Amino acid sequence: DIQLTQSPSSLSASVGDRVTITCRASQSISRYLNWYQQKPGKAPKLLIYSGSILQRGVPSRFSGSASGTDFTVTVSGLQPEDFATYYCQQSYSVPFTFGPGTTVDIK
Amino acid sequence: EVQLVESGGGLVQPGRSLRLSCSASGFTFEDYPMGWFRQAPGKGLEWVGFIRSRVYGGTTEYAASVQGRFNISRDDSKAIAYLQMNNLKTEDTAMYFCSREDYNNDYSFDYWGPGSLVTVSS
Repeated sequence: DIQLTQSPSSLSASVGDRVTITCRASQSISRYLNWYQQKPGKAPKLLIYSGSILQRGVPSRFSGSASGTDFTVTVSGLQPEDFATYYCQQSYSVPFTFGPGTTVDIK
Repeated sequence: EVQLVESGGGLVQPGRSLRLSCSASGFTFEDYPMGWFRQAPGKGLEWVGFIRSRVYGGTTEYAASVQGRFNISRDDSKAIAYLQMNNLKTEDTAMYFCSREDYNNDYSFDYWGPGSLVTVSS
């Protein structure tokens, strides 16, 4: 199975900050890495697919990038509604796996 | 507008069975693979399994943790996906989500239902 690690596991930030979350895959997954945002008591929301493509309707302050087996999601100018938990997920091979999540809370 | 709604959750004793339904609307259901996920209380997301569209044989894949106990099926005429859960264990307690797998976008899961809570306890 492909393992995904995320760093950091949590971070505290202020509105307007630029934050970056990293996801590392245990083996090559090409571009098949997706990012989801989840707020408490809600379903996950797809933010970015194929490593760097913004899902329709997602604000442009979110961006994704990839380098080998390392993937990042960046929020440029954190907004109050962005405080949530972020998960990466690989769709390269079954079983699809998620990273453990990164919680972004208010400093 | 794409909508997914899960139903059928509840409290069930260990060893018993439960079937969740995922009712879909707003898209051509038969064209899309459908996935199931779960999230135990206070934990991260876990992929449970998915079912391919009929064009691709309607075949299924499962996580090792549920293989042999859970079964995913679909009724394209009703636009419903099912998750049949047998021999339930306490560790199956979780919120269960269904999701549409977007084969056009590298098999990401683009729409999700609000979830259905399953509690396995005696």
